[in-house]
Amino acid sequence: DVVMTQTPVSLPVSLGGQASISCRSSQSLVHSNGNTYLHWYLQKPGQSPQLLIYRVSNRFSGVPDRFSGSGSGTDFTLKISRVEPEDLGDYYCLQSTHFPYTFGAGTKLELK
Amino acid sequence: QVQLKESGPGLVKPSLTLSLTCTVSGFSLSSYGVIWVRQPPGKGLEWMGVIWGNGNTNYNSALKSRLSISRDTSKSQVFLKMNNLQTEDTAMYFCARGPFDYWGQGVMVTVSS
Repeated sequence: DVVMTQTPVSLPVSLGGQASISCRSSQSLVHSNGNTYLHWYLQKPGQSPQLLIYRVSNRFSGVPDRFSGSGSGTDFTLKISRVEPEDLGDYYCLQSTHFPYTFGAGTKLELK
Repeated sequence: QVQLKESGPGLVKPSLTLSLTCTVSGFSLSSYGVIWVRQPPGKGLEWMGVIWGNGNTNYNSALKSRLSISRDTSKSQVFLKMNNLQTEDTAMYFCARGPFDYWGQGVMVTVSS
């Protein structure tokens, strides 16, 4: 199985500040069709995960441009600029290139 | 708009079978897959399996021997069945549209005698 190593586990931030979350995979996430299926989610308490970024760097509908994704191969990053209160919660990366699909263990974004 | 809603029993006895339903609207099951994901209390997310638009399925090998996913396209419903439930199967169970873009609210399942 592809292991997704997500860091840090906890990320204290100040409102208005910037946050960066890393996700590294144990093997390349480039699919045989050339696409890279690495996605980012935010899960707020008591809610289901909501898609932020799909296929590395594409913002999902309605996601503010404060969120950006980058990376390639096995190394990926989610950046959040100008953190707002509604950005707080648990962030997960997901790879859907290889079966079984696997998630990172999560990063809790919380107030400093 | 795209919506998914999970339903099923909140409590299941150990060794019995879990049956969940995901009722969808706003898209066709013949065009999109539906994925099942679960999350034990206070823990991370685990992909369980998927039924694709063509009806084919893929399962997490860790659950494959116990898990079955099927559908009724006429009713816009996808079904999850997992047998021989244990306490470690206690979790919130979510269905999501492939490619993981829209999710249901989830249903909490507790395995306890």
